[in-house]
Amino acid sequence: DAKTTQPPSMDCAEGRAANLPCNHSTISGNEYVYWYRQIHSQGPQYIIHGLKNNETNEMASLIITEDRKSSTLILPHATLRDTAVYYCIVYDPGNQFYFGTGTSLTVIP
Amino acid sequence: ETGVTQTPRHLVMGMTNKKSLKCEQHLGHNAMYWYKQSAKKPLELMFVYSLEERVENNSVPSRFSPECPNSSHLFLHLHTLQPEDSALYLCASSQDSLAGAALNEQFFGPGTRLTVL
Repeated sequence: DAKTTQPPSMDCAEGRAANLPCNHSTISGNEYVYWYRQIHSQGPQYIIHGLKNNETNEMASLIITEDRKSSTLILPHATLRDTAVYYCIVYDPGNQFYFGTGTSLTVIP
Repeated sequence: ETGVTQTPRHLVMGMTNKKSLKCEQHLGHNAMYWYKQSAKKPLELMFVYSLEERVENNSVPSRFSPECPNSSHLFLHLHTLQPEDSALYLCASSQDSLAGAALNEQFFGPGTRLTVL
């Protein structure tokens, strides 16, 4: 079962930052937070993951609260190609990923 | 080619047909996965292979039969499917299925859109 809660949908203006929240209040100490996205009818694409510290790569930033009960994925300058379903996943190494229903992000011109 | 490839991209089959889906990864990974994604539902993990051994079978009906002849190739053999089996079937690979998170980022193929008539 999913250990995360995400809003079902969000809109973001093109060129603005998209901030996608995720609650994972039952996360345990050895579990990671992963983010994937899935553009319509394509395979999911890895974005970023983290354990405790904030992380940044060429695609996005991941901000994890100090108590690790929630996190935010930030797309700094959203483009139309960022329209997708974004999945926040709490992952226990050695177990399977559970994708849940994600947040459908629509970037508006 | 790079990444994870899947063929065919689209497949229409009758309930009495036998067909196979193919997945190939060019990433040197040791683990491969089959997922099913039905309309408006989350991805469901079907099978996991690690070093060509099946390590996970999530109560998948026997009309789906996986095969992993080597670490680069994964097949899903289909026979006597039902219309409710129509879905997007996704293959993924990762460096290792049982190691720490740093090694388990999954790379997905584009999927096969299956329609069972």
